[in-house]
Amino acid sequence: DAKTTQPTSMDCAEGRAANLPCNHSTISGNEYVYWYRQIHSQGPQYIIHGLKNNETNEMASLIITEDRKSSTLILPHATLRDTAVYYCIVRVEGGGSNYKLTFGKGTLLTVNP
Amino acid sequence: GAVVSQHPSWVICKSGTSVKIECRSLDFQATTMFWYRQFPKQSLMLMATSNEGSKATYEQGVEKDKFLINHASLTLSTLTVTSAHPEDSSFYICSAEGGLAGKDYNEQFFGPGTRLTVL
Repeated sequence: DAKTTQPTSMDCAEGRAANLPCNHSTISGNEYVYWYRQIHSQGPQYIIHGLKNNETNEMASLIITEDRKSSTLILPHATLRDTAVYYCIVRVEGGGSNYKLTFGKGTLLTVNP
Repeated sequence: GAVVSQHPSWVICKSGTSVKIECRSLDFQATTMFWYRQFPKQSLMLMATSNEGSKATYEQGVEKDKFLINHASLTLSTLTVTSAHPEDSSFYICSAEGGLAGKDYNEQFFGPGTRLTVL
C-alpha cells in the first residue's frame, strides 16, 4: 500500500469547517483513499472513501486532487465530539485477506469551544 | 450499520496467565477478521488476519504461539494471549469485514477495543 503523509496535529474552532490534508504521491491507479478516525480509547470509525471523484456523505466530504496525489477531508461543521485522530489510508478496494488497512500516525484534530 | 463487539472491554491479569478476547460481528457475517494492537500514543499495528475455518496469517514479528487466534464461525473470532507478561499490556482491537446492503464493496468495521493490563 502507498504511504501517506499527514500533519501531526490541527486545531479547529467549534462550528467551523475542519480541513484535514493528506499527501499520497505514490498512490497507484487502483488504490482508493480511505479516511478513518479514532476517538480516544475507542476503535476506529470509517468516515469516507473515494477513488478519484469527490465524495460526500453524512459525516464528511472528501476532495481528491485531479492527479490523485493528495486529498482533503472536510468536516463542514466541527463539533467537540469530532476531536479524534484522523487516519488517511490508501489501499485497493476489495475483500478478504487483501483488505489490510495500514495505519500511519494520523492527524490529531482538536476542536476547541 | 454493522456492529462489532469485543469482550471483555478491559481485563487485568497476573503475569504468566492467559487471557482470551472475543470479537463478534453482531449483525453480519464476517469471513475475514483482523486483530490489531495499539500501544499508548502509537498507531494501530496489524497483528494477524483471520479467515473463518482456516489458520490465521500473522504479520512479521508477531509470535503465533503466543497470540492464538481462532475463527471458528462467521461471527466470532478469539485472540488468546498466552503466558501474558507486562510488555503485552496494550489496547487490542479487532475488526470484521462485511458488506453493507446496497453497496458493492466490503468495509472493515472495528470493535471498541479491549484494554489488557498485565501485572
